[in-house]
Amino acid sequence: DTGVSQNPRHKITKRGQNVTFRCDPISEHNRLYWYRQTLGQGPEFLTYFQNEAQLEKSRLLSDRFSAERPKGSFSTLEIQRTEQGDSAMYLCASSGDSRNTEAFFGQGTRLTVV
Amino acid sequence: AQTVTQSQPEMSVQEAETVTLSCTYDTSENNYYLFWYKQPPSRQMILVIRQEAYKQQNATENRFSVNFQKAAKSFSLKISDSQLGDTAMYFCAFTKTDSWGKLQFGAGTQVVVTP
Repeated sequence: DTGVSQNPRHKITKRGQNVTFRCDPISEHNRLYWYRQTLGQGPEFLTYFQNEAQLEKSRLLSDRFSAERPKGSFSTLEIQRTEQGDSAMYLCASSGDSRNTEAFFGQGTRLTVV
Repeated sequence: AQTVTQSQPEMSVQEAETVTLSCTYDTSENNYYLFWYKQPPSRQMILVIRQEAYKQQNATENRFSVNFQKAAKSFSLKISDSQLGDTAMYFCAFTKTDSWGKLQFGAGTQVVVTP
């Protein structure tokens, strides 16, 4: 296993278009998290999954955002009708259930909305 | 709601010297964990060190150690014998025990290690 993988690494899109990002977690991890990071700031929590169940969504996650983890493995994050304010790095992380485990992060998907 | 504050946007340190990064947090929880993460220019976040709130002993990991003051809600990171590879953004993060893994991050401190 090579760690948490995110695709694409970079995405440039026109305002109003839909985009979808993919995250492949570490295979034995049943928890998966999405964060958004804007320049010069720390990551902000968006949502997380326990297996296929989406357990929590941040108020930051507007109706234009939707995340899925259909079989408890990979996850997708879709943004509909993108806005310039959506430009950010989108980070995915995965972890086990135990408090002895750490969260491993992917390299992120950088979204630029023009 | 929890907040995590890092008041130092940037710190510069010479190789082999020591630098201390500050972090304060606000919570009404009694059971929680604190972390320091490192984000090098490649942008992948890496865990540096963690501290369980119920443990009084400060965590250490090789050249990295923390000073955890629970009553003051302070969690500073000391990097000893700084190396060029330590150049990165450092984030302090918090998670409640009952929502394990959902991290609240500070704004980060950019550490620059100079030769």
